Amino acid sequence: NAGVTQTPKFQVLKTGQSMTLQCAQDMNHEYMSWYRQDPGMGLRLIHYSVGAGITDQGEVPNGYNVSRSTTEDFPLRLLSAAPSQTSVYFCASSPTDSGNTIYFGEGSWLTVV
Amino acid sequence: AQSVTQLGSHVSVSEGALVLLRCNYSSSVPPYLFWYVQYPNQGLQLLLKYTSAATLVKGINGFEAEFKKSETSFHLTKPSAHMSDAAEYFCAVSGDNDMRFGAGTRLTVKP
Repeated sequence: NAGVTQTPKFQVLKTGQSMTLQCAQDMNHEYMSWYRQDPGMGLRLIHYSVGAGITDQGEVPNGYNVSRSTTEDFPLRLLSAAPSQTSVYFCASSPTDSGNTIYFGEGSWLTVV
Repeated sequence: AQSVTQLGSHVSVSEGALVLLRCNYSSSVPPYLFWYVQYPNQGLQLLLKYTSAATLVKGINGFEAEFKKSETSFHLTKPSAHMSDAAEYFCAVSGDNDMRFGAGTRLTVKP
């Protein structure tokens, strides 16, 4: 039972480079989301999706793009990386209804130099 | 918008002592509330959740939390701390389409 799988686990980027963080879940969850975790700030929602073809912005969407072409996959794209995007990124999924447990991936550590 | 505030970014207790981690929420509708734990270099794991059934919620590893509407609180407790409880704890509130987290409380357990 893989759950939520994120890749890569670690990445170093140069300022201005682009990259995609991959996220896949095998629980047939409709809801998927991306968070970033920074010291003293908890987890902040970047983007989320309530189903294939539907995405929306969270608290801190600037600098990030997402798409949801399938139920299973929810990639996060950094178009032009900035040092302020150095963070730990978590992908998560859950059934659609409020009150359901969110399941998290193991995290992706991104450093932008 | 719904939000949670965790009081105290760092809590230190002795092994065997009571653990109390504080969380207050803000919500215009009856909330769904959660506590998650994060061990170093890992993702978040669910400890427990409140979904409007019993106000006292029991979770894994001996933790429990009590929903108090009058105080808008959902504090996490454990009667006796264990060394393995050292981790970061996050309170969260669930809305229609997202979950909002507190800033986290790092729990240190001293021998």
